[in-house]
Amino acid sequence: AQKVTQAQTEISVVEKEDVTLDCVYETRDTTYYLFWYKQPPSGELVFLIRRNSFDEQNEISGRYSWNFQKSTSSFNFTITASQVVDSAVYFCALSKAGAGTWGYQKVTFGTGTKLQVIP
Amino acid sequence: DSGVTQTPKHLITATGQRVTLRCSPRSGDLSVYWYQQSLDQGLQFLIQYYNGEERAKGNILERFSAQQFPDLHSELNLSSLELGDSALYFCASSPDGRSGNTIYFGEGSWLTVV
Repeated sequence: AQKVTQAQTEISVVEKEDVTLDCVYETRDTTYYLFWYKQPPSGELVFLIRRNSFDEQNEISGRYSWNFQKSTSSFNFTITASQVVDSAVYFCALSKAGAGTWGYQKVTFGTGTKLQVIP
Repeated sequence: DSGVTQTPKHLITATGQRVTLRCSPRSGDLSVYWYQQSLDQGLQFLIQYYNGEERAKGNILERFSAQQFPDLHSELNLSSLELGDSALYFCASSPDGRSGNTIYFGEGSWLTVV
């Protein structure tokens, strides 16, 4: 079974503070993919990043950075110098291949972390 | 803009009614997914199609059905609606549905059952 845990339900920070959103996953597969999505108040789900299980390099994109550690099964997301526009619900997700079937991937989403950035 | 188009964006209907949600995937994507997001259930996977064929079923109720047409657009049919079906329904697409495909979501269809 695969599982994604986002233990932080809600986080509030003051603008310009750094914030880290935690994501811990469980899977028995050696090949899998991890994702982060952002859901702003308007409701749409916006793709942020994809990482495969063989690439443990950290990634930075502007104020966003991701720390993937297989040893602890974690894929944490840090926002540096947070801004009000970062206020959203953030979802971590895990994907594995569906067994024996082409064109099927099983994606498990975490329950999301609601981030509120206070001006 | 993800390139996934969903209609309608908002829908209010009465209990017992039937509605159809429509989705056009990103250009070139062969796989379509449907998800339901309600306040108390989070993001729930409903069903996945690949090139017109059903590939996986999640927690989809028997009152719900879906299909993907030859032109790759998809429809989710919700019937005998109940108050608890009120939710945000997402359609998403990916290139070929395999593991590792990035899934791109539409803006969702807000369904309110009264």
